[in-house]
Amino acid sequence: DTGVSQNPRHKITKRGQNVTFRCDPISEHNRLYWYRQTLGQGPEFLTYFQNEAQLEKSRLLSDRFSAERPKGSFSTLEIQRTEQGDSAMYLCASLSIGPNYGYTFGSGTRLTVV
Amino acid sequence: AQSVTQPDIHITVSEGASLELRCNYSYGATPYLFWYVQSPGQGLQLLLKYFSGDTLVQGIKGFEAEFKRSQSSFNLRKPSVHWSDAAEYFCAVGAGNQGGKLIFGQGTELSVKP
Repeated sequence: DTGVSQNPRHKITKRGQNVTFRCDPISEHNRLYWYRQTLGQGPEFLTYFQNEAQLEKSRLLSDRFSAERPKGSFSTLEIQRTEQGDSAMYLCASLSIGPNYGYTFGSGTRLTVV
Repeated sequence: AQSVTQPDIHITVSEGASLELRCNYSYGATPYLFWYVQSPGQGLQLLLKYFSGDTLVQGIKGFEAEFKRSQSSFNLRKPSVHWSDAAEYFCAVGAGNQGGKLIFGQGTELSVKP
């Protein structure tokens, strides 16, 4: 178990381009969460999955954003037609339910839209 | 609506001095409460959590927090700060049913003077 893995660590893209991020959760965790964090702010919830089902989406998740978790394992977050306001750290977390209840976060993907 | 308030955006303490970071929450039911620490460009590391039971919880790195229901607070404390504690600290509340999303405060940046 190597924790929650996110790729890439950094992404620089031109405005209008599409980007996709990947999150590999801890293997036995069936819940997976995406958050966005802008400079000087706390993480803001975007969406979460239980296995392959997307159970909740924030209003922050505009039509340009889509997340998937095929087969209930890794997840991808895609942003279409990126805007400068999308520049942020995108964090993924997975949840352990049980005696060691808690959320484990990945190191994040830093997106810069130029 | 659920919310978390961290009143202090930035705190500076001298190395060896005691520390208290404030956190107030708004939540309708018994909250799941967390403190995370984040170093620049990194993900979030869990310091401690509270679900039920003893209202004084111990965490890693010598941190502790006390849940006070009457004050809707969950303040983080450390008796003697080390230079390596300089980081951003986030308080979070678990919203919804068990395993739902976390709602974060905006964070408190801690600086440590030699």
